[in-house]
Amino acid sequence: GAVVSQHPSWVICKSGTSVKIECRSLDFQATTMFWYRQFPKQSLMLMATSNEGSKATYEQGVEKDKFLINHASLTLSTLTVTSAHPEDSSFYICSAREKFGALYTEAFFGQGTRLTVV
Amino acid sequence: QKEVEQNSGPLSVPEGAIASLNCTYSDRGSQSFFWYRQYSGKSPELIMSIYSNGDKEDGRFTAQLNKASQYVSLLIRDSQPSDSATYLCAVKSKNRDDKIIFGKGTRLHILP
Repeated sequence: GAVVSQHPSWVICKSGTSVKIECRSLDFQATTMFWYRQFPKQSLMLMATSNEGSKATYEQGVEKDKFLINHASLTLSTLTVTSAHPEDSSFYICSAREKFGALYTEAFFGQGTRLTVV
Repeated sequence: QKEVEQNSGPLSVPEGAIASLNCTYSDRGSQSFFWYRQYSGKSPELIMSIYSNGDKEDGRFTAQLNKASQYVSLLIRDSQPSDSATYLCAVKSKNRDDKIIFGKGTRLHILP
């Protein structure tokens, strides 16, 4: 399958600071990228969907000003957690897919980023 | 009704037996169905995808889809301890802009 690289794999930050997570598609053009959050023993919760070159679409209840998503190129999307607080500590996972005409490929996942806010 | 429902488990199965994982979904417009395996602390990995009614086999894994019943299942034959993980059912629907919606997952424990 296609490779999606997510960086960093883990990060610890102080409360009030911002953290940027990168998601790169290494061997395909990621027309769409999805950002998920997963709390312990919970399922993946979709936070937002981003299409290259356009603004991200956020799911209900997700603060767009707190979770800034940029998808400026077909191989890179970033998620910035602004003014992070301990309740933002979670496992953040990106996934990416490519579009061919009206069809999409499977979604491939990055390795995930474990964020701990202290 | 939740969009994708799974029994959270844990489901305990003896090594060598068949593990059966079930999933129901609410959106009749769903077109693509996936099973992901997720080990603790790791990202999900795709095991099977199925798009039409019936069975699809890949090695020890068989996915079954019944769109009339809005039901999809995963069978794992000859279960191995390495199969112990959380299995996530996921559904894609045009009614949801082709987003992939995940169930909460079923924890599977293979007993040696």
